[in-house]
Amino acid sequence: SAVISQKPSRDICQRGTSLTIQCQVDSQVTMMFWYRQQPGQSLTLIATANQGSEATYESGFVIDKFPISRPNLTFSTLTVSNMSPEDSSIYLCSVEVVQGEETQYFGPGTRLLVL
Amino acid sequence: LAKTTQPISMDSYEGQEVNITCSHNNIATNDYITWYQQFPSQGPRFIIQGYKTKVTNEVASLFIPADRKSSTLSLPRVSLSDTAVYYCLVPEGDDKIIFGKGTRLHILP
Repeated sequence: SAVISQKPSRDICQRGTSLTIQCQVDSQVTMMFWYRQQPGQSLTLIATANQGSEATYESGFVIDKFPISRPNLTFSTLTVSNMSPEDSSIYLCSVEVVQGEETQYFGPGTRLLVL
Repeated sequence: LAKTTQPISMDSYEGQEVNITCSHNNIATNDYITWYQQFPSQGPRFIIQGYKTKVTNEVASLFIPADRKSSTLSLPRVSLSDTAVYYCLVPEGDDKIIFGKGTRLHILP
């Protein structure tokens, strides 16, 4: 398994500002993922972040709005840029651990409210 | 779209065994099936993973028939604290997973 922490755990932000969310894992992992979960909804994959390469974004998500960094094998950041109230959501990072089969483990999430 | 289909919600009573079935008709030969549990305001928590037949751990059992087009998560003797959303997942390719709506399990006293 993997132990994943996220900072901040929650934040309230003004529209038009940006917030950077940090994800730290206790072991080296190749693949990290960022998800969004809007209230009452399931998780939606934003992008896949592999160390040493550009993040791969899912349909509906773009780098200008959600820039991602992956400087090493234990850390990643997701920035929510030029926020609007529609960005209010929980943002979660996950990592893939390979122990025979591949398994994803999730962080606790960052709860974002944009006013 | 997710590759899995599961009931939107289920109700059960404390002490009962709960079985949640998931359909994954297009599962690939090498895909594992993974189940997660999510409580409100928390990230999904890994419950169990399997490839075929039966897998059991301290939390649940997972039954997978020979054709692997479905799987059943079995929770023995549930309690109120098992009220959560349960997601059945198979990989989409490139090691990513796409979440469906999950099954909202409500345990009644």
